[in-house]
Amino acid sequence: GAVVSQHPSWVICKSGTSVKIECRSLDFQATTMFWYRQFPKQSLMLMATSNEGSKATYEQGVEKDKFLINHASLTLSTLTVTSAHPEDSSFYICSALDALNRAEFEKLFFGSGTQLSVL
Amino acid sequence: GEDVEQSLFLSVREGDSSVINCTYTDSSSTYLYWYKQEPGAGLQLLTYIFSNMDMKQDQRLTVLLNKKDKHLSLRIADTQTGDSAIYFCAETFTGGGNKLTFGTGTQLKVEL
Repeated sequence: GAVVSQHPSWVICKSGTSVKIECRSLDFQATTMFWYRQFPKQSLMLMATSNEGSKATYEQGVEKDKFLINHASLTLSTLTVTSAHPEDSSFYICSALDALNRAEFEKLFFGSGTQLSVL
Repeated sequence: GEDVEQSLFLSVREGDSSVINCTYTDSSSTYLYWYKQEPGAGLQLLTYIFSNMDMKQDQRLTVLLNKKDKHLSLRIADTQTGDSAIYFCAETFTGGGNKLTFGTGTQLKVEL
């Protein structure tokens, strides 16, 4: 199956610093990628939809200036958590849409996630 | 908004059947999915069902959908230790495009 690589898998940072998380589709082109956030014992919450070459679409309640998304190529989307604070500590996971080569129901592929801990 | 609920934890013995349940509130669901998440790995699509179907079987997996009660279940026959993981139900809905709404996840532990 298709592979989505997410990096880093774990990051610890000081409060006030910025953290960049990368999501790469390794063997397909992804015009659309999704960024999710997951708190312990809770479901994945969609943060934003990232479209190659255009601005991301953010879900209600997600601060676009806080969570910067860049999708500059067909294989890479990045999420930057700016001026991170302890309340931003969470598990972040991306998914990529292989729209060209898959059946309708099988075209989303997920990265392995990034655990962010802000001290 | 959409709300998808699952029980948090299920423990079964190896060889038994596991049944993981999911309830949802959105009546405009188009497809419903089951994903598996193993530690340190991404979500893996296990199976899916179209919202106008009642049942789907795929090898050891059986999906049952009761649209009237908005209840979805995943039955794993002959559960193995390798089935230990977190299982998420998810749905897409009319007008939502490819957006997935996930359940809270069920931690399945298979004991010897």
